[in-house]
Amino acid sequence: DIQMTQSPSSLSASVGDRVTITCRASQGISSYLNWYQHKPGKAPKLLIYAASSLQSGVPSRFSGSGSGTDFTLTISSLQPEDFATYYCQQIYSTPITFGQGTRLEIK
Amino acid sequence: QVQLVQSGAEVKKPGASVKVSCKASGYTFTNYYMHWVRQAPGQGLEWMGIIYPGGGSSSYTQNFQGRVTVTRDTSTSTVHMELNRLRSEDTAVYYCACALAYPGPFDIWGQGTMVTVSS
Repeated sequence: DIQMTQSPSSLSASVGDRVTITCRASQGISSYLNWYQHKPGKAPKLLIYAASSLQSGVPSRFSGSGSGTDFTLTISSLQPEDFATYYCQQIYSTPITFGQGTRLEIK
Repeated sequence: QVQLVQSGAEVKKPGASVKVSCKASGYTFTNYYMHWVRQAPGQGLEWMGIIYPGGGSSSYTQNFQGRVTVTRDTSTSTVHMELNRLRSEDTAVYYCACALAYPGPFDIWGQGTMVTVSS
């Protein structure tokens, strides 16, 4: 199985901050990497697919980059609605696996 | 619009089975792959398996082999996930999620179904 490791596990930041979350795969996964936002009591929401493509309707302050084993999700200017848990996901091979999540909290 | 609506919360005893349903609307049911993902309390997301409603073929992660079965009913555009021999560790929110392609991102998610396993 491909292991996905996110860092940090949690992060405190303020509205307006620039935030970067990293995700590392235990083996190369090309660009088969997606990012989701998950809020308590809600369904996860797709933000970025294929490592760097912005899902329709997602604000442009979200961006993704990387390929192979190292990936990043960047939020350029945090908004109040961005405080949530973020997960990376590899779909390169089954079983599909997720990172452990990064909880983004208000400072 | 495209949406997935799941069945309601369930409370089951250890050793029992649970069947969670996911009804699709707003798109051609047989064109999208349907995945199942769960989240135990305080834990992350765990992928369980996939079905292609067009042909009915399914695949599951080894962790659930022999305990999970995913089926589809094309007449009602519904996918069902049945988990057998429940144990307390199966207490979780179960989500269905559809993807246009395989492999592909999970574009649309159901609202989640809470399954509680308790004696």
